[in-house]
Amino acid sequence: DQQVKQNSPSLSVQEGRISILNCDYTNSMFDYFLWYKKYPAEGPTFLISISSIKDKNEDGRFTVFLNKSAKHLSLHIVPSQPGDSAVYFCAASDSGTYKYIFGTGTRLKVLA
Amino acid sequence: SQTIHQWPATLVQPVGSPLSLECTVEGTSNPNLYWYRQAAGRGLQLLFYSVGIGQISSEVPQNLSASRPQDRQFILSSKKLLLSDSGFYLCAWSGASGKSAGANVLTFGAGSRLTVL
Repeated sequence: DQQVKQNSPSLSVQEGRISILNCDYTNSMFDYFLWYKKYPAEGPTFLISISSIKDKNEDGRFTVFLNKSAKHLSLHIVPSQPGDSAVYFCAASDSGTYKYIFGTGTRLKVLA
Repeated sequence: SQTIHQWPATLVQPVGSPLSLECTVEGTSNPNLYWYRQAAGRGLQLLFYSVGIGQISSEVPQNLSASRPQDRQFILSSKKLLLSDSGFYLCAWSGASGKSAGANVLTFGAGSRLTVL
C-alpha cells in the first residue's frame, strides 16, 4: 500500500519558468510533510517542509502548498534553474510515530 | 553541527555472502536512526528505524537485520545476500529519541551502493 504517491515520474521545464511537482497521500494521520532533492549516487538533501496547520510555506525560490481536504501537496520552484535538475521526493510523517514515508520521486529536468 | 557518516560507499558482494553497513552520527545525542533503500527506479523504502540503543523496528520482513550497539551507531547486516538486495542504502537521523517524527527534519548520509552478483 503506497501511502505517499508521486504520479509523475518525470518533468521537463524551461529555465526561468515554474516547476510544479505534485504529491498525494492517503493517510489522514500524516501531519508533517517534507520535500527532498536527490542527485545520483548521493543522499537526499532537505529542501522545505510544511506542517498540517499551514497551507503554504515559502523559502526563497521554493514554495510548498498543502491541501488537506484533497490530501495533496505541491512544490513550486520559481524560477527554475539548470542546477535544479534532480529527483525530488516528497515525504510524510505522523507525529504519533517515528516513521517518514517517501513517495517514488519525480525526475525534474530544467532545460537551458 | 551534526554530521552523519556512512560506509562503505561502494560494495560488490557475491550472492550468499554476508553484509555489514555502518552508520554513525556526530554532534547530537539520542537521535532516531533509520535505514532506507532505494532500488533501481524506485522510491525510498523504509527498512528499519531505532529510537534508542537496542531498540529496532522492522518495516519490511526480509533477510536484512539492523542493530544499534551504541547511541549514535546503526548497523545494517545480512548473513546471506540475495540478488534482490542490490540497491542504494541510506542511513538517516532525526530529532532526539522520544520525539516523534512530527516537525523533525530527516537528515541523510551519503549512501552506500551495494551490488550483489
